[in-house]
Amino acid sequence: SQTIHQWPATLVQPVGSPLSLECTVEGTSNPNLYWYRQAAGRGLQLLFYSVGIGQISSEVPQNLSASRPQDRQFILSSKKLLLSDSGFYLCAWRTGRTQYFGPGTRLLVL
Amino acid sequence: KQEVTQIPAALSVPEGENLVLNCSFTDSAIYNLQWFRQDPGKGLTSLLLIQSSQREQTSGRLNASLDKSSGRSTLYIAASQPGDSATYLCAVNRDDKIIFGKGTRLHILP
Repeated sequence: SQTIHQWPATLVQPVGSPLSLECTVEGTSNPNLYWYRQAAGRGLQLLFYSVGIGQISSEVPQNLSASRPQDRQFILSSKKLLLSDSGFYLCAWRTGRTQYFGPGTRLLVL
Repeated sequence: KQEVTQIPAALSVPEGENLVLNCSFTDSAIYNLQWFRQDPGKGLTSLLLIQSSQREQTSGRLNASLDKSSGRSTLYIAASQPGDSATYLCAVNRDDKIIFGKGTRLHILP
């Protein structure tokens, strides 16, 4: 069966520090992968999506970047975090026309 | 550009009542539409997935309908219970993207 992992579950980071969130998928190959962010009191915003290794599409200009070094690995990064980067980050994958979501990472930037 | 709108933004009803949550989308050319539940501080739980060729899906006390031509979906919850309190999200799937509405925060009063 398909499984999606995200870690860490919770993260507290100071402003200006780097960030690396990882998402891995099991039980499927060549999925479309997505990063979403949910800021406090706001909806889920699509940040990045990837249709294959090394292929990244950015939906909104921001302080973050994404990479897909392996077929089932999707990484969200930042060189210097801002207060506005705080939020709930969700990884999702899609194969065919069905999508699945990870448990999420709650990031608090202080 | 696909936009997804959910009405109302928040809803409080007494326990036992039947209720309807609304979702509208601007581009009717979608693959499917999915309803999720999100509890505070948690990830997404998929409730119902309606393919573009379907008109409705049912799971227990939940029934979701889809009218592609008018760009609308409804989630009907029968005999509401306090445990139904959560945020309900609607998402449409088209091409490589999944676009979410901002959700409806539902509070069932005991």
